[in-house]
Amino acid sequence: QKEVEQNSGPLSVPEGAIASLNCTYSDRGSQSFFWYRQYSGKSPELIMSIYSNGDKEDGRFTAQLNKASQYVSLLIRDSQPSDSATYLCAVNLRSGNTPLVFGKGTRLSVIA
Amino acid sequence: DAGVTQSPTHLIKTRGQQVTLRCSPKSGHDTVSWYQQALGQGPQFIFQYYEEEERQRGNFPDRFSGHQFPNYSSELNVNALLLGDSALYLCASSFRGTGLTYEQYFGPGTRLTVT
Repeated sequence: QKEVEQNSGPLSVPEGAIASLNCTYSDRGSQSFFWYRQYSGKSPELIMSIYSNGDKEDGRFTAQLNKASQYVSLLIRDSQPSDSATYLCAVNLRSGNTPLVFGKGTRLSVIA
Repeated sequence: DAGVTQSPTHLIKTRGQQVTLRCSPKSGHDTVSWYQQALGQGPQFIFQYYEEEERQRGNFPDRFSGHQFPNYSSELNVNALLLGDSALYLCASSFRGTGLTYEQYFGPGTRLTVT
């Protein structure tokens, strides 16, 4: 059973702080890793993708991947109340156009 | 640049009925994947269509079927609806190019309620 695990939260951080979201996956053959943001009642929105070990930064978001530890994380710097949402970690098991396996998501609440 | 579109937005059906959901992929994309998202869960993969054929399928019964048209749009059909089919149905589009990775972009979803 190929799994993606996330802490369901809620994770509460004050406005302006760094939010750290974590994800582990079970299949060592996983190739591609994605973070989606989902506001309540809406569909998931792709915010970050990462494919090789290390860090990838995009604006206030940094994705970190450690394939040896089977661990991927998302850091949100200078958190804003508008960042309050559920963050879904998704993994491609093979390269190419393969199905995404999702975690259950972590609910983030940024307190003003 | 048109994003992924889905219709209808909401749907209420009775147990035993059949439903058809529709999706048009993002401009330039040729692959459509369908996911089911129950409340409080992550999306679960149903199946994927490319070149008008079902290429991959998740762990869903054959009550779930689909189709892809020459213009890359797709339909998801569910027969003999059960209460447990109530969920948000998501269509994701991607481009089956020559790269190693394929980012999938979701449409707004169809909220199906079975009573």
